[in-house]
Amino acid sequence: EAQVTQNPRYLITVTGKKLTVTCSQNMNHEYMSWYRQDPGLGLRQIYYSMNVEVTDKGDVPEGYKVSRKEKRNFPLILESPSPNQTSLYFCASSLLWGFNEQFFGPGTRLTVL
Amino acid sequence: SQQGEEDPQALSIQEGENATMNCSYKTSINNLQWYRQNSGRGLVHLILIRSNEREKHSGRLRVTLDTSKKSSSLLITASRAADTASYFCATAPDNYGQNFVFGPGTRLSVLP
Repeated sequence: EAQVTQNPRYLITVTGKKLTVTCSQNMNHEYMSWYRQDPGLGLRQIYYSMNVEVTDKGDVPEGYKVSRKEKRNFPLILESPSPNQTSLYFCASSLLWGFNEQFFGPGTRLTVL
Repeated sequence: SQQGEEDPQALSIQEGENATMNCSYKTSINNLQWYRQNSGRGLVHLILIRSNEREKHSGRLRVTLDTSKKSSSLLITASRAADTASYFCATAPDNYGQNFVFGPGTRLSVLP
C-alpha cells in the first residue's frame, strides 16, 4: 500500500531532550516536506527536500533540523525542544515538487513540557 | 512568503445543501490544491488546478481558479454528514523550489 508513515504518533517530552520524528514513504517520491499545524494558523512548512541530499528551509525552520540521505526517509530532528514546539507535525511527499498532489502521513502529536 | 487564506473560517449547513469555500493568495502560482482533514488526522488531497485552468470537477467537487483576482473557490454539492471536516487550500509557487503555503482552513459542519 502506497503510504507515508511517521513515528512516533504521540510523544511527550521535556525541554532540551533531543528527539527525532521519522518519516518514510514507499512511493519513490522525490519531494518530501515537514509541516506543523497549530490552532488558527493552518499548516506551516518547516523544511522540505527536492531530492536526496537537497533540503531547504520553509517558513518556520528555527529549532529544527532535517536530513535526506536516502530517497524514502526524511527525519525531523529537534536538537533542544522547547514548549513552543508543542504541535501536530505532518510529513508529506509528492512525486515531484509543485506539480503533483502531496500525500500526508498520519501526524505526530508532540508535547514539550 | 505568499499567504493562502480561506473564507469563511467556519461554515455550518444542512445535509443536501451546497457548500462554498473561498481561498485567496498573494503571489503567482504554478497550481492550487485543495485538501481535506478530518479532525486531527492527515490531510487528504482533493483536487489540483493548474494556473492555466479555470475550472475543474471531481465527483461532487467543483473548483474554480481566477488568477487575475488571485482567488479560488471549492464547491461541494449535495453535501453529506461525512463531508464534515476542515478544508485547506495550498498554493504551489511558480518559482521552482519555493515552499508551499497552506491557508488556515475552513471548518465545515454538515448537519443531518
